Amino acid sequence: GAVVSQHPSRVICKSGTSVKIECRSLDFQATTMFWYRQFPKQSLMLMATSNEGSKATYEQGVEKDKFLINHASLTLSTLTVTSAHPEDSSFYICSASPEGGTQYFGPGTRLTVL
Amino acid sequence: GENVEQHPSTLSVQEGDSAVIKCTYSDSASNYFPWYKQELGKRPQLIIDIRSNVGEKKDQRIAVTLNKTAKHFSLHITETQPEDSAVYFCAASRRSGNTGKLIFGQGTTLQVKP
Repeated sequence: GAVVSQHPSRVICKSGTSVKIECRSLDFQATTMFWYRQFPKQSLMLMATSNEGSKATYEQGVEKDKFLINHASLTLSTLTVTSAHPEDSSFYICSASPEGGTQYFGPGTRLTVL
Repeated sequence: GENVEQHPSTLSVQEGDSAVIKCTYSDSASNYFPWYKQELGKRPQLIIDIRSNVGEKKDQRIAVTLNKTAKHFSLHITETQPEDSAVYFCAASRRSGNTGKLIFGQGTTLQVKP
């Protein structure tokens, strides 16, 4: 089946620093990937749609200058949380799907900002 | 905007009983409805999905029904087992190739008591 990986799985950083999270499709190419954020005991909230070779499409209320998305290849999308603050602490999950297929999720990245 | 409402938020059943989770979507153009199971700290795992041209789909103990007119869809789990305990999310999407973003319901925490 389709496999999506994320790195790192867990990161702790100081307030004001930037953190980069990688999402990779391991056995298929993905022109589109999605980034979600999930707070404890809550649902997955779509942050943005990452498009290979073009700008990401952000959902309403998501600051594009704070959450930088780069989809440089058909197997890699990165999310950079710039100038992170404690309120950015969350579980960040990416997803991708093979052409016309089901969305598969990465294992998630637990971000803790001190 | 697009919205998916999910009920109940928590559900407790005895082992062997059935469990039903219901969702309502607002976007009449939605045509793909997956259900995901998420265990604590893990990625969401697809358990079953249904497309808008089908009214019902079954896979062993799990079934999903769709009423397009009423914009309702439901997950049915029969003969529940303790390992079914998890958070279940419904989602809706305008699926077009691999670009259809998922809008998630709020989630249902299912507890199956031995």
